[in-house]
Amino acid sequence: DADVTQTPRNRITKTGKRIMLECSQTKGHDRMYWYRQDPGLGLRLIYYSFDVKDINKGEISDGYSVSRQAQAKFSLSLESAIPNQTALYFCATSDRTDENQPQHFGDGTRLSIL
Amino acid sequence: EDQVTQSPEALRLQEGESSSLNCSYTVSGLRGLFWYRQDPGKGPEFLFTLYSAGEEKEKERLKATLTKKESFLHITAPKPEDSATYLCAVPSGTYKYIFGTGTRLKVLA
Repeated sequence: DADVTQTPRNRITKTGKRIMLECSQTKGHDRMYWYRQDPGLGLRLIYYSFDVKDINKGEISDGYSVSRQAQAKFSLSLESAIPNQTALYFCATSDRTDENQPQHFGDGTRLSIL
Repeated sequence: EDQVTQSPEALRLQEGESSSLNCSYTVSGLRGLFWYRQDPGKGPEFLFTLYSAGEEKEKERLKATLTKKESFLHITAPKPEDSATYLCAVPSGTYKYIFGTGTRLKVLA
């Protein structure tokens, strides 16, 4: 089983709909992140969380919200989806005991908003 | 501002044709440089961490090296299964990781 699991893997929806993307991890990491990936722009940070009670905005948080339900679960919501939120979304985790360790990624959610 | 730039954007190689991918970085106080491989429809998969200039890491046909300004990912005698996008990243501040936009590698049989 994957260490970082994202659901759904693919989603097509309409403008204005509310969407939730979910992430769960079995790595035991405290830190979790949500990124979006667009061609030519690389990975951009949406939100990050260092523990259940700690939620922080990243560089492109407008139009998104998150919830950290447990150490292992971190969900991303689009309250009212718009077409320019069409992208590949990744969840990642890292170990808080060493900030110089790499992140570990899920396989992503491909989101299309019509 | 911390920055990571990768080149080339895309690279096509014949099977067996060795080459190198570049990752240039500007960061205050390097605390590590990470290389990832990303296959289509998949998340980035961690390959290597390099911590100091002169350090080298190897895995099969891949070898990563680090200087004070850049890192190289050398691919020796590549095979078609090495085709992927290769990303590099550096930690920045207390929570952030700066990613390059990647090099798309295609190895032709």
